[in-house]
Amino acid sequence: DAKTTQPPSMDCAEGRAANLPCNHSTISGNEYVYWYRQIHSQGPQYIIHGLKNNETNEMASLIITEDRKSSTLILPHATLRDTAVYYCIVRVADRYNTDKLIFGTGTRLQVFP
Amino acid sequence: GAVVSQHPSRVICKSGTSVKIECRSLDFQATTMFWYRQFPKQSLMLMATSNEGSKATYEQGVEKDKFLINHASLTLSTLTVTSAHPEDSSFYICSARDLLRLASQSTDTQYFGPGTRLTVL
Repeated sequence: DAKTTQPPSMDCAEGRAANLPCNHSTISGNEYVYWYRQIHSQGPQYIIHGLKNNETNEMASLIITEDRKSSTLILPHATLRDTAVYYCIVRVADRYNTDKLIFGTGTRLQVFP
Repeated sequence: GAVVSQHPSRVICKSGTSVKIECRSLDFQATTMFWYRQFPKQSLMLMATSNEGSKATYEQGVEKDKFLINHASLTLSTLTVTSAHPEDSSFYICSARDLLRLASQSTDTQYFGPGTRLTVL
């Protein structure tokens, strides 16, 4: 089962920052938070991931709370091409010690002109 | 980022036939590949984990005799849907883990293919 909860949908005006929240209150100390997005009928695209420090790359920033129970993905200047379903995922290890990504329901972000 | 391909991108078959889907890591070696299935308007559901040179491990509720997985090399995994039926129609997506980046954990190690849309008539 997914270990994250996200709002089902959000809107954002083009050019504005999109802030996508995620709750992962049962996260363990060594579990990473990953963010992927999926544009309609395509495979998921990696955005960013982190453990406890805030992270930034060319696509987005990831803010993780100090208690690690929630995080926020920030797209600093949203464009129409950022319209997609955004998945916040806690990477878990199974009984074979294989790390797996279990997808939740995600947030459908609609960027409007 | 690393590239994962799938073939075919789209397939239509008759009920009762078997369909093979290929997943390749094009510019990196992958000891582990994953197979997901996605129904319309739903999230991705992990079906199985494919390890090079060993048997795949299946998630609960996934029939291993119906969804045959072979991971014969570090760059290729195949999923065969045997005796396909209309309820197997879905979007099948694979992902691959980059062996070399796994050790550093400095960036993501799991890359997804573009998906294969299977329609069973």
